[in-house]
Amino acid sequence: AQTVTQSQPEMSVQEAETVTLSCTYDTSENNYYLFWYKQPPSRQMILVIRQEAYKQQNATENRFSVNFQKAAKSFSLKISDSQLGDTAMYFCAFMKLSGNQFYFGTGTSLTVIP
Amino acid sequence: GAGVSQSPRYKVAKRGQDVALRCDPISGHVSLFWYQQALGQGPEFLTYFQNEAQLDKSGLPSDRFFAERPEGSVSTLKIQRTQQEDSAVYLCASSPRTDTQYFGPGTRLTVL
Repeated sequence: AQTVTQSQPEMSVQEAETVTLSCTYDTSENNYYLFWYKQPPSRQMILVIRQEAYKQQNATENRFSVNFQKAAKSFSLKISDSQLGDTAMYFCAFMKLSGNQFYFGTGTSLTVIP
Repeated sequence: GAGVSQSPRYKVAKRGQDVALRCDPISGHVSLFWYQQALGQGPEFLTYFQNEAQLDKSGLPSDRFFAERPEGSVSTLKIQRTQQEDSAVYLCASSPRTDTQYFGPGTRLTVL
């Protein structure tokens, strides 16, 4: 079975500062995908960033980057130059390469303080 | 193009009523997923379609839950004889293949 753990239920960051959200996962699979999704109060889940486990290079998408440590089964999200619009719930998700469903963590509620 | 849409956005049902939740995926997306999200939790998988074929329904919590996608496009999640524990947000997602999923806004179901 696959499990995803987000150990930080709530976090806050000052506008323009940097924040890191943690995610660990447990799997016996060797190839898989990892995702970070953002869910603002409107509740529409939006893809933030995606990582393929077979790629050693960490994914980057503008102000968002990940620190993927495969051996440690860790997949943290770094948000640089935080903006008020980054306030949302952030979910880490895992999917097997051969699978069809996402396994989500319980989420981290991020508040950007002006 | 248009994203995934769901209707209704909010549904209040009395215990024992049947409800039907609709999902319109992104045009051309082969895969369609349903998730249940309880308050304060991450989404949990319910079922998966590839075109019109329901390939995985392992997450459906009981036989009161039924999903269909008869023409490989629009999907309907039906819940019969609703119970209070069915209260949740029901999310639909679609994908051009089976990796990145694009989510709709969800339907918030409240069972009184």
